[in-house]
Amino acid sequence: DAGITQSPRHKVTETGTPVTLRCHQTENHRYMYWYRQDPGHGLRLIHYSYGVKDTDKGEVSDGYSVSRSKTEDFLLTLESATSSQTSVYFCAISRGLPGLAGGRHDTGELFFGEGSRLTVL
Amino acid sequence: KQEVTQIPAALSVPEGENLVLNCSFTDSAIYNLQWFRQDPGKGLTSLLLIQSSQREQTSGRLNASLDKSSGRSTLYIAASQPGDSATYLCAVLTVSKTSYDKVIFGPGTSLSVIP
Repeated sequence: DAGITQSPRHKVTETGTPVTLRCHQTENHRYMYWYRQDPGHGLRLIHYSYGVKDTDKGEVSDGYSVSRSKTEDFLLTLESATSSQTSVYFCAISRGLPGLAGGRHDTGELFFGEGSRLTVL
Repeated sequence: KQEVTQIPAALSVPEGENLVLNCSFTDSAIYNLQWFRQDPGKGLTSLLLIQSSQREQTSGRLNASLDKSSGRSTLYIAASQPGDSATYLCAVLTVSKTSYDKVIFGPGTSLSVIP
């Protein structure tokens, strides 16, 4: 299994409070991603990172921010949690991406963490 | 815009049966297609990845095929076992001309293997 650890695994919080989820990897992979999974919507990308201090928005980034100060850690922050952010959050990593920017062995294969279940009351 | 669908949404089979799960995508400009399984309350486990230049990949009782021109992939599971019960998702890494190369997930097929 890919060495990906998410913390906390479960959290209950109240509307308006800040929340930070952490993803830690031991694979030294360049790319890290935050997804949320909701019934009826499947998996949706929130933010991703393509290197230390290099991040970009995904399709559902409103209300979320991220930071990556070290290769191994990718933090997802909800500045002021809302009930619509109740979800299961998954961190994923990939070594690289294929195409012109990728190396010969970069297939883009994704590996996922176990998830963090967040409930906002 | 890439769209990924999976048929059927749910499947129930008796133990020992061979089965096929289907994944369809609308844009053939992909780098790869990846199959995952997800157990309840767990993360996604990578099963097989097929690069765009490949036609199939095999791992144990699993065989995945890719027909990029028709926008289809199948996951074949031989001699199914109760432990195969899970949700199976496919995902395509799509070449983007305007933004980041995007992974699009299908909604999944929920498989139950009855002892």
